[in-house]
Amino acid sequence: ETGVTQTPRHLVMGMTNKKSLKCEQHLGHNAMYWYKQSAKKPLELMFVYSLEERVENNSVPSRFSPECPNSSHLFLHLHTLQPEDSALYLCASSQEVHRGETQYFGPGTRLLVL
Amino acid sequence: TQLLEQSPQFLSIQEGENLTVYCNSSSVFSSLQWYRQEPGEGPVLLVTVVTGGEVKKLKRLTFQFGDARKDSSLHITAAQPGDTGLYLCAGAPRSYSGAGSYQLTFGKGTKLSVIP
Repeated sequence: ETGVTQTPRHLVMGMTNKKSLKCEQHLGHNAMYWYKQSAKKPLELMFVYSLEERVENNSVPSRFSPECPNSSHLFLHLHTLQPEDSALYLCASSQEVHRGETQYFGPGTRLLVL
Repeated sequence: TQLLEQSPQFLSIQEGENLTVYCNSSSVFSSLQWYRQEPGEGPVLLVTVVTGGEVKKLKRLTFQFGDARKDSSLHITAAQPGDTGLYLCAGAPRSYSGAGSYQLTFGKGTKLSVIP
């Protein structure tokens, strides 16, 4: 495997379910990111991790809970989501968490909340 | 808040035509990146421009960063169906200013369809 991988690629869940999204990067990078991509909106940064430490949380509702056990893996735990949370969730990584660093994206998880 | 406006939002052209898409802001960026995103996939970096006035070429794609580092354009010559996708520009903040400085500011994108 190379680059950034995400699983699952598609997920349908009810509002009372608990699910997790997984991201893995094989690039030796130190920074990882979660983004939300909705129709007709710019990419929204949700969380930033640098060397497993969360460095930014963009006022994301607590029903989204990130976890970064090591610099290669990133999870997004989902609990009691709302239909408006349906979107493409993208994971990205970069060498460091400096401004302007090139970010490499995974293919995303397409989430539908019913 | 830094905003990036991309235009046009949608563009449908015939194979072989030329096109230009734009990325504009009132803010100054230290660098600007262009990505292409195909359906069902994540964005893939095409180029990063850093210097005001810089022009970079990638085969049939020509990228230009404005002199004031507030805007950028992407010109495609002789478009092909493989160029179809969502083109995103993303700007890096000019200076560190606390929380949010790690963020790239993304535009909404230009959705390009090249018809064979």
